[in-house]
Amino acid sequence: AQSVAQPEDQVNVAEGNPLTVKCTYSVSGNPYLFWYVQYPNRGLQFLLKYITGDNLVKGSYGFEAEFNKSQTSFHLKKPSALVSDSALYFCAVRDSGNTGKLIFGQGTTLQVKP
Amino acid sequence: ETGVTQTPRHLVMGMTNKKSLKCEQHLGHNAMYWYKQSAKKPLELMFVYSLEERVENNSVPSRFSPECPNSSHLFLHLHTLQPEDSALYLCASSQVGTGGFAGELFFGEGSRLTVL
Repeated sequence: AQSVAQPEDQVNVAEGNPLTVKCTYSVSGNPYLFWYVQYPNRGLQFLLKYITGDNLVKGSYGFEAEFNKSQTSFHLKKPSALVSDSALYFCAVRDSGNTGKLIFGQGTTLQVKP
Repeated sequence: ETGVTQTPRHLVMGMTNKKSLKCEQHLGHNAMYWYKQSAKKPLELMFVYSLEERVENNSVPSRFSPECPNSSHLFLHLHTLQPEDSALYLCASSQVGTGGFAGELFFGEGSRLTVL
């Protein structure tokens, strides 16, 4: 079965510093990977996805993610963090089958301090 | 209206009440989903509808009853709920094509349910 793991419950970073939120995956076949962000009392907002092609994927709000097949990882990155980036981040993988459903990791809280 | 709209945003109900959550998508998608988000738990997929047909039911108790009258609307009917059912219920939609291709999921803002 497809799965993703986010090894960190929380990541703390100072404003202006680079940030990384980690995600590893386990799939049979080609991985279709996604990152979402959730602000308090809101739904999930799509940031970016990897389907095929370039290993470095650029997304919304200056975020990018690096797909690494040998390490089965899809880490989310941003060169310079903003206080407003503080939120809950979810990594997800498309499940096998044809329903389009996503399997989510447990989420990582990002705290950016001024 | 654009995107995925969920109503109500907040709902408080007793264990003997009957209520419904509504979701409407304005994106022309052909698949819709209900997810449950509880505190300190990952998002749990509850139901999937593709082309108005329920294609997945993840062992959800019968006190939750989904309905998809057309490709734009999805309901979750609630009856005789338990306090542990208190959670954020998220609706999402996507476009699923032939061969299993599917785009990303677009989520609504969620309905925060509290069961007393």
